[in-house]
Amino acid sequence: DGGITQSPKYLFRKEGQNVTLSCEQNLNHDAMYWYRQDPGQGLRLIYYSQIVNDFQKGDIAEGYSVSREKKESFPLTVTSAQKNPTAFYLCASSMAGSGYGYTFGSGTRLTVV
Amino acid sequence: GQQVMQIPQYQHVQEGEDFTTYCNSSTTLSNIQWYKQRPGGHPVFLIQLVKSGEVKKQKRLTFQFGEAKKNSSLHITATQTTDVGTYFCAGENSGGSNYKLTFGKGTLLTVNP
Repeated sequence: DGGITQSPKYLFRKEGQNVTLSCEQNLNHDAMYWYRQDPGQGLRLIYYSQIVNDFQKGDIAEGYSVSREKKESFPLTVTSAQKNPTAFYLCASSMAGSGYGYTFGSGTRLTVV
Repeated sequence: GQQVMQIPQYQHVQEGEDFTTYCNSSTTLSNIQWYKQRPGGHPVFLIQLVKSGEVKKQKRLTFQFGEAKKNSSLHITATQTTDVGTYFCAGENSGGSNYKLTFGKGTLLTVNP
């Protein structure tokens, strides 16, 4: 079955460490997205990519970095520069262009202590 | 930038009562999508509305897109405990080539059996 996989489900890191969250999809989708979800804040866009080797900043990109070397993969690095990294991170994918629904992964809950 | 406001933030109903959540955009949208996130889960695509004044139904759920394509609503008739979750609207800006969704903060629906 096609889908989008995020790993790990839970992640704990010490403050000051960079951490990379994995996102892989086998839906043959061109576009991929990273969202952050905090209680009462909805989903806020971190980065998105509409094609391999290209990506754009979203609304809250500071302290994060991404790469899109393969169509199937869109890893997100949470750097030590991110002031409040503890959150639920959701990866999504869709067909490229206007008007396509997103398929979300099951998310990674990151806790930084 | 584009803003999508959603109200109410929370709604608690008795099973069998109706429920409505409203979504308003600061800009004209090319389309609006609705997602449902069960507690502890990830958002799941429900539907997309594209045309001005469009109304779509999915069993007990009715979705509307405003004439000006800046507002939308989701109405659930005779709620059931399986309807529990957070309902998000997400709007895509009309025009431009960056096809990305801006999500509202969601409405958390709880249903008392």
